[in-house]
Amino acid sequence: AQKITQTQPGMFVQEKEAVTLDCTYDTSDPSYGLFWYKQPSSGEMIFLIYQGSYDQQNATEGRYSLNFQKARKSANLVISASQLGDSAMYFCAMRPFTGTASKLTFGTGTRLQVTL
Amino acid sequence: SQTIHQWPATLVQPVGSPLSLECTVEGTSNPNLYWYRQAAGRGLQLLFYSVGIGQISSEVPQNLSASRPQDRQFILSSKKLLLSDSGFYLCAWSQGVSTDTQYFGPGTRLTVL
Repeated sequence: AQKITQTQPGMFVQEKEAVTLDCTYDTSDPSYGLFWYKQPSSGEMIFLIYQGSYDQQNATEGRYSLNFQKARKSANLVISASQLGDSAMYFCAMRPFTGTASKLTFGTGTRLQVTL
Repeated sequence: SQTIHQWPATLVQPVGSPLSLECTVEGTSNPNLYWYRQAAGRGLQLLFYSVGIGQISSEVPQNLSASRPQDRQFILSSKKLLLSDSGFYLCAWSQGVSTDTQYFGPGTRLTVL
């Protein structure tokens, strides 16, 4: 079984600053994928970034980067140059590379508030 | 490009009434399809997934069921709703290859009174 832990229920960051959202995971699977999603107040889950467990380099997508530390089983999301539109819930998720479908396990989320 | 639709957007139903939520995907073929539920202030819980027409796997025993009558259509149903069925229901699709990233629909907010 997989478990995702997000220990920060809420975070504040000033506009234009960088912020790190924490995510740790637990799995017995040898290979897996890690995902971050953003959920604005409208409710839709928006895919942000993906990291494979065998990827040698940390993933980056625009202002988003994933700080992947496999030995520590952590996959923190870094948002650079925060914008007011970044205010939302952020969920970390993972799936094992086994089975016929992508069964994601989600954390409980972190609410990010960007301030002026 | 691919798009995913869900309807209705919001629904208020009495306890004991039936339920039917629909999800359709456009712009892809033979997707994997998923139903999730999100209770207020919580993460997502996988309810059902499907890798093909008529193929449904259930993750959580409950009074809900799912069906996939067409390749890009996924339906969530209940014969008799419970108060505990209230929540935000999200449908997602993935291509089943590469990273197999899931992409979500806009969701249906269900309130059972």
